[in-house]
Parts: sequence; structure tokens; C-alpha cells
Amino acid sequence: EDKVVQSPLSLVVHEGDTVTLNCSYEVTNFRSLLWYKQEKKAPTFLFMLTSSGIEKKSGRLSSILDKKELFSILNITATQTGDSAVYLCAVTRSNDYKLSFGAGTTVTVRA
Amino acid sequence: KAGVTQTPRYLIKTRGQQVTLSCSPISGHRSVSWYQQTPGQGLQFLFEYFSETQRNKGNFPGRFSGRQFSNSRSEMNVSTLELGDSALYLCASSHDSHGNTIYFGEGSWLTVV
Repeated sequence: EDKVVQSPLSLVVHEGDTVTLNCSYEVTNFRSLLWYKQEKKAPTFLFMLTSSGIEKKSGRLSSILDKKELFSILNITATQTGDSAVYLCAVTRSNDYKLSFGAGTTVTVRA
Repeated sequence: KAGVTQTPRYLIKTRGQQVTLSCSPISGHRSVSWYQQTPGQGLQFLFEYFSETQRNKGNFPGRFSGRQFSNSRSEMNVSTLELGDSALYLCASSHDSHGNTIYFGEGSWLTVV
């Protein structure tokens, strides 16, 4: 059974703070790890990571994967209230066609 | 380019009824998968279709079924609805789930009363 564990479950920060979200996984035949942002609607794709040590960046968001230690982190710098959302981590395997999700981290950014 | 389109967006059904949800993937995408999202269980995989074939199925009872048409559009059906089926049903599409980014639709909110 795949295991995807996100931490913390929730956090509250103030605008301008930096946030670091963690996702650890145990999955056989790992293929990729994906990060999504979910507000009160569908998850929005952020990053897909397949290789260790290569940071992906998009504006104030960045993410990196460690395939040896089986985890990924998502960083958000200079947070804004619009960053308030649930951040979901999911993994895929090379021998099937599904996303296995973690429970998500709820980020609340206060003005 | 249009995104993943799901219909209906909101619906209310009575226990024992059945429901059909529809999903049109992004143009050119041939893989469509379905997920159920509830506060208690999070996002759970239902099934995945590629070229009209179901390639993967999650751990849901047989009341949950789906299909994909030749134009890649997909439907899922839930028969004999139970209160616990109340959830957000999300459809996702990709060129092929292997190694490709998976994009989600807005979802269909189902309430069973």
C-alpha cells in the first residue's frame, strides 16, 4: 500500500513569511511526485518532480525531491494571502496510472 | 486551450438513486481518471481510462463504474446512492498518465440526502 505523508497538517503564517511543506513517501516503482494547490475548487498543478536534487521554481514557489531519503519539500517565500490553500502532494508509480495523495497541508496566510 | 470540463457542477440526489457524471478532457489528452474527495478520506482514486479501456481501478464497490468514449470523453456512474457517497468527484486528464502532468477539472459536487 502506498504511503504519502504530509507535514505539518496545517499552519498559520503572516504575510511575508517563508513556508516549508514536507511530503514523505513510501511507494514501490516510484515514477514522479506532484504538488497541487487546492483552494475551494479543483487542485491546480504546481510542480512535477522526477529527478533528485533538481529544484523546480515558479515565482515564489520552489520544490525539490530527494529520492534517496524519499521526500520532497515545497517552499513558498514572501507569502501572500492568496497563497492560503490546501497544498497536496501525490506520487505516481511506473506500473500503474493513478495519483496517490497525501492528506494535504492547510496553509493560512494572515495579512 | 480549454481545460478539463465536468458536468454537472452541483447536484443533489436521494439515497437509492443513481447518478451519472461527465468529463471532457483537455483536447488531445487520452487518459482520463476519476477521484473522490471527502473531508474524512481525502482524495481517493476511482479509476483510469485510456483509449476506452479501463487500465486501473481503485478500491471502491461495484456501484461505482465508468466508461470512456472514442472522443476521450468519460462518464462515471454511481448506482444505489448512499449518504456516504456525498463528495466532490474530480476528473483529471493527461496525454498519458505515465510521466505526464495530470490536470484536474473543477469537479462535480454530489450531495446525497
